[in-house]
Amino acid sequence: KAGVTQTPRYLIKTRGQQVTLSCSPISGHRSVSWYQQTPGQGLQFLFEYFSETQRNKGNFPGRFSGRQFSNSRSEMNVSTLELGDSALYLCASSFGTSPLHFGNGTRLTVT
Amino acid sequence: AQSVTQLGSHVSVSEGALVLLRCNYSSSVPPYLFWYVQYPNQGLQLLLKYTTGATLVKGINGFEAEFKKSETSFHLTKPSAHMSDAAEYFCAVADAGGSYIPTFGRGTSLIVHP
Repeated sequence: KAGVTQTPRYLIKTRGQQVTLSCSPISGHRSVSWYQQTPGQGLQFLFEYFSETQRNKGNFPGRFSGRQFSNSRSEMNVSTLELGDSALYLCASSFGTSPLHFGNGTRLTVT
Repeated sequence: AQSVTQLGSHVSVSEGALVLLRCNYSSSVPPYLFWYVQYPNQGLQLLLKYTTGATLVKGINGFEAEFKKSETSFHLTKPSAHMSDAAEYFCAVADAGGSYIPTFGRGTSLIVHP
């Protein structure tokens, strides 16, 4: 079974731009969660989608948004990028109450 | 609300020595507990989990952890460290019966010396 796939692996953007990250979950997994990982803050929960609906949301500004498609693939979007948005963005999928299965992340650098 | 505290941002051991990574949690309801490992430039990989039942949980790569409710702890151990164990380790807690969204600790970097 293929694991969680995140694209792209690396991104460099300029302040003020917007970015879209993509995540393909494990086949059969309907829940997709997004986390931001930084050295200073560790792993912070962004949001979770289930059956195309946002089911849980972390404490991030509205510049961070996401969506999920009918095939469970998910995207997250960050608008008006700030330097502090530089981070590793991790996507994870799960089935029911099973533990999260993580992708290898997208490394975003904002200059 | 739930939270996780991992004692020690860095732990250094010699190859062959005991590995002990500490994790304390707070949760208002029975918890699900997890340990994940992260190697450089990779995502997190599940080492082991506690949901219900036996409090001593065995995971992959020779790791195990014990759920101690009275101490609100879930420390990770391995009898003999290997060079390949060098990585970042994360403890996480989720509310059983709740959203199941885990809250992660800040991580402990395990350094293994030859």
